Amino acid sequence: QKEVEQNSGPLSVPEGAIASLNCTYSDRGSQSFFWYRQYSGKSPELIMFIYSNGDKEDGRFTAQLNKASQYVSLLIRDSQPSDSATYLCAVNPSGGSYIPTFGRGTSLIVHP
Amino acid sequence: EAQVTQNPRYLITVTGKKLTVTCSQNMNHEYMSWYRQDPGLGLRQIYYSMNVEVTDKGDVPEGYKVSRKEKRNFPLILESPSPNQTSLYFCASSSPLAGGYNEQFFGPGTRLTVL
Repeated sequence: QKEVEQNSGPLSVPEGAIASLNCTYSDRGSQSFFWYRQYSGKSPELIMFIYSNGDKEDGRFTAQLNKASQYVSLLIRDSQPSDSATYLCAVNPSGGSYIPTFGRGTSLIVHP
Repeated sequence: EAQVTQNPRYLITVTGKKLTVTCSQNMNHEYMSWYRQDPGLGLRQIYYSMNVEVTDKGDVPEGYKVSRKEKRNFPLILESPSPNQTSLYFCASSSPLAGGYNEQFFGPGTRLTVL
């Protein structure tokens, strides 16, 4: 069973702060990683994709990948109340399958 | 508009009454999947399909059936629903691209209650 672990939270940060969300995975051969955002009652939407070790920045979002340590993180700078949502980490398994395994998600609350 | 549609969006039914949740995508994607989402358990995969007539079990397939007779459609069938299948169901489609990029496009969800 390939595992993707996330702290369920909630993670509470003040508006304007940096929110840091973490994800670890068990399949050492995994090659590509995703962060989805899901608002309550809505479907998940992709916000970040990363496949190389290091950082990838897109606006206020930065994804960080460390394959040796088998973790991927998401930083949200200048957090806004509209960022309050559940963030799902997804990992493509090794072996050529393009069916990702999702973590349980971390609930983020940004308070004014 | 590129989209994944699911029907119905909401369904209340009784134990044992067969039901089908439809899923359709208009993006010509090869991959389609069904997930259920329960509080505290995240998204769990039920079944997936990598192409027409090719389906496989996910992590929680018991009590469900699927078929993929056409590329665009991937219905989820509950032959004899039970209360433990009360959940929020999502259909998703994707098409793998270079570099392992396969964004999952999700439908709006179907909230199922089995009494």
